[in-house]
Amino acid sequence: RKEVEQDPGPFNVPEGATVAFNCTYSNSASQSFFWYRQDCRKEPKLLMSVYSSGNEDGRFTAQLNRASQYISLLIRDSKLSDSATYLCVVRRASKIIFGSGTRLSIRP
Amino acid sequence: DGGITQSPKYLFRKEGQNVTLSCEQNLNHDAMYWYRQDPGQGLRLIYYSQIVNDFQKGDIAEGYSVSREKKESFPLTVTSAQKNPTAFYLCASSSPFSQNTEAFFGQGTRLTVV
Repeated sequence: RKEVEQDPGPFNVPEGATVAFNCTYSNSASQSFFWYRQDCRKEPKLLMSVYSSGNEDGRFTAQLNRASQYISLLIRDSKLSDSATYLCVVRRASKIIFGSGTRLSIRP
Repeated sequence: DGGITQSPKYLFRKEGQNVTLSCEQNLNHDAMYWYRQDPGQGLRLIYYSQIVNDFQKGDIAEGYSVSREKKESFPLTVTSAQKNPTAFYLCASSSPFSQNTEAFFGQGTRLTVV
């Protein structure tokens, strides 16, 4: 079993839709959580950190449930420019582990 | 500008040859990482280093070797023992865990073995 599991996708949604991604992690000692965005043939870039209290950055909302070992990302009012692969990331001490990513395509 | 530099961007090698990928950072980060990404897949951890002269195997270390002689540098050697080395290789660095920060990436090296 992978340490970080994500929705396999792909998601194909119309512009303006709301889309949610889920992620689970297996090691309860995991301590920091992030969502990264990766465009085709580029390096991943940090989208947002994820906190237990939940956090929002414009159209993006991230949630963490430590009891269920579950992380989510919600994108509201999706734009064409949101098309990318979204990677769930977990940090345990110095080890940083990536999920396999969920591909999102926004259609006009 | 602070950042992580990987070189070269594209690399072609003949099967059976060892090849070394360069990664340099000037962010003063203690931790550095090497990941491999295959088409349509996520990132898999090859090796990571928390401090100079120390490194640990990740999930797919077989066929790879690293060194960490300087804080700024973490080169990765893809040896002939790696069965399928063609992939996108990404280097990253991060502050120590106590600062709870994310990883920053270089632009990657695309290795093709022919």
